[in-house]
Amino acid sequence: QKEVEQNSGPLSVPEGAIASLNCTYSDRGSQSFFWYRQYSGKSPELIMSIYSNGDKEDGRFTAQLNKASQYVSLLIRDSQPSDSATYLCAVSGLRGGNKLTFGTGTQLKVEL
Amino acid sequence: DGGITQSPKYLFRKEGQNVTLSCEQNLNHDAMYWYRQDPGQGLRLIYYSQIVNDFQKGDIAEGYSVSREKKESFPLTVTSAQKNPTAFYLCASSDREGKAYEQYFGPGTRLTVT
Repeated sequence: QKEVEQNSGPLSVPEGAIASLNCTYSDRGSQSFFWYRQYSGKSPELIMSIYSNGDKEDGRFTAQLNKASQYVSLLIRDSQPSDSATYLCAVSGLRGGNKLTFGTGTQLKVEL
Repeated sequence: DGGITQSPKYLFRKEGQNVTLSCEQNLNHDAMYWYRQDPGQGLRLIYYSQIVNDFQKGDIAEGYSVSREKKESFPLTVTSAQKNPTAFYLCASSDREGKAYEQYFGPGTRLTVT
């Protein structure tokens, strides 16, 4: 079992729809959770961080964390073509310290 | 502007040569990291440093070396011992206090070894 698991996609959604990206992790001791956006050929950009159970909203993005289910998700409302990218889930605390373990990413395609 | 710079953006080397990738940050972050990304794979940690003059191996340190002589700089050397060096190399940094787990990435160096 992978430590951080994501569906590779591609996930296709129409413009204006809600995109839902999911991530599961293996270690119940994980402490901090992050979503990065990576455009093709570019480096990852941090878009959301979440540390406690529940929802955290920032503009069109909402991160949801459920530690009991070891599940973290990212919702993108009013999806735009510019949101088309690969979204990486990262988790810290899997093996202690502030190292991050990354999933392989979900490719999102927002279609006109 | 605060940020992380990596140079060069593209690097080409012949097999058997060592090559050093540069990473500089002016965010005043204590911790710095090197990752490697291959197509279809997640980021894999090569080395990290929590403080000047100290660094630890990550998951795939074999064939790589680093130094941390200054807070701002964390160069990575890809040695000839690395079996599959062609990859996208990413440097990141984070603070030790506050949001210590938030890592910020440089633009990356794409290394091709033939």
